[in-house]
Amino acid sequence: GDSVTQMEGPVTLSEEAFLTINCTYTATGYPSLFWYVQYPGEGLQLLLKATKADDKGSNKGFEATYRKETTSFHLEKGSVQVSDSAVYFCALSDSTGTASKLTFGTGTRLQVTL
Amino acid sequence: EAGVAQSPRYKIIEKRQSVAFWCNPISGHATLYWYQQILGQGPKLLIQFQNNGVVDDSQLPKDRFSAERLKGVDSTLKIQPAKLEDSAVYLCASSYTSGGTGTQYFGPGTRLLVL
Repeated sequence: GDSVTQMEGPVTLSEEAFLTINCTYTATGYPSLFWYVQYPGEGLQLLLKATKADDKGSNKGFEATYRKETTSFHLEKGSVQVSDSAVYFCALSDSTGTASKLTFGTGTRLQVTL
Repeated sequence: EAGVAQSPRYKIIEKRQSVAFWCNPISGHATLYWYQQILGQGPKLLIQFQNNGVVDDSQLPKDRFSAERLKGVDSTLKIQPAKLEDSAVYLCASSYTSGGTGTQYFGPGTRLLVL
């Protein structure tokens, strides 16, 4: 079945450091890929998405490129801020007909310090 | 635009009791999902509705969990009887379409603690 593997956290960085959170996936079809973010005390929010190979999703300075050859969708940001501290979830949607569940990774907690 | 609404936000019950959660999706969204998020894990789909019909309930523990979306708008998820392992956050999400590229919008969740 479908699965998502992402790097374990917590990841602790200083402000303005470069961020990479690795994500790889296994899927039978051609999934869409997503990064969701969960800030403390809040619900899941879509951060960015890519729907086909070589697409790059971007939002709020974060980027991720859909790499079919390596089945990866790594999240990157050039300069993190304290406000980026949150839990980040990689997910895929491999729809079959009208069924389109999201399969999530276990989440990576990011802590950014001054 | 109002987001996905859920209530209650928190619930504490004893094992073998019953509990119900309510969700109101974003207006116009035909597809509604319920996910279970156990502490330290990613959300796992329990059930997906398209309008008032069930599309996928393959991971719903049907001996104790039930869900309905009678008028194709809001939905309730019920657990009866609850077990300790049901302690989790229950997330409701909705999307405009059911296709895999559609964005799912999540509510704030209901945090359930079973004692």
